[in-house]
Amino acid sequence: EIVLTQSPGTLSLSPGERATLSCRASQSVSSIYLAWYQQKPGQAPRLLIYGASSRASGIPERFSGSESGTDFTLTISRLEPEDFAVYYCQQYGSSLITFGQGTRLEIK
Amino acid sequence: QLQLQESGPGLVKPSETLSLTCTVSGDSISSGGYYWAWIRQPPGKGLEWIGSIFSTGSTYYNSSLKSRVTISVDTSKNQFSLKLSSVSAADTSVYYCARHIWAGGSYFDFWGQGTLVTVSS
Repeated sequence: EIVLTQSPGTLSLSPGERATLSCRASQSVSSIYLAWYQQKPGQAPRLLIYGASSRASGIPERFSGSESGTDFTLTISRLEPEDFAVYYCQQYGSSLITFGQGTRLEIK
Repeated sequence: QLQLQESGPGLVKPSETLSLTCTVSGDSISSGGYYWAWIRQPPGKGLEWIGSIFSTGSTYYNSSLKSRVTISVDTSKNQFSLKLSSVSAADTSVYYCARHIWAGGSYFDFWGQGTLVTVSS
């Protein structure tokens, strides 16, 4: 089973700042099989990024994804008030789909 | 716009079978070559993929749940369903249905609002 470890667990930033969220895979993951989601309290997750770096339909340009080996990064260039939420990465590999444990992005 | 809606009992007794249905509207469940998935989230915790089904009935399950899970599809009703047997308190979760893109990638692009299922006597 491929384990995704997200860091930090909680990130405290202010609106307007840049957010960098990390997702590290325990084994090699093809970039086409890495996605990011945003979840707000009481809501279903929303797809942000698929294929490690492709924005989903309707997602603002301030959200971007990148990869370096087994490390994947979600960057929010300038935080808006509505961006404070929990973020999950997700992968498919070895016949199993798994999610990271999440990073909580909170207002400082 | 594609919409998914979960339905089913909100309370299930231990050792019994949890049954949920997802009704898809806005598109045919048979069109587009998509998979359809169930994902769950225990209160205050992270997400767990349960399994996915293609419109033809081909299924793929999380190996950790495979012995207890059955996912089926009814294309005539534009619905797919989840059955989870021998439930315990550990199965208490919000259960989501979602459209699963599984070609050229693997991700969930449309989600239902989720339904809380509590396992308790």
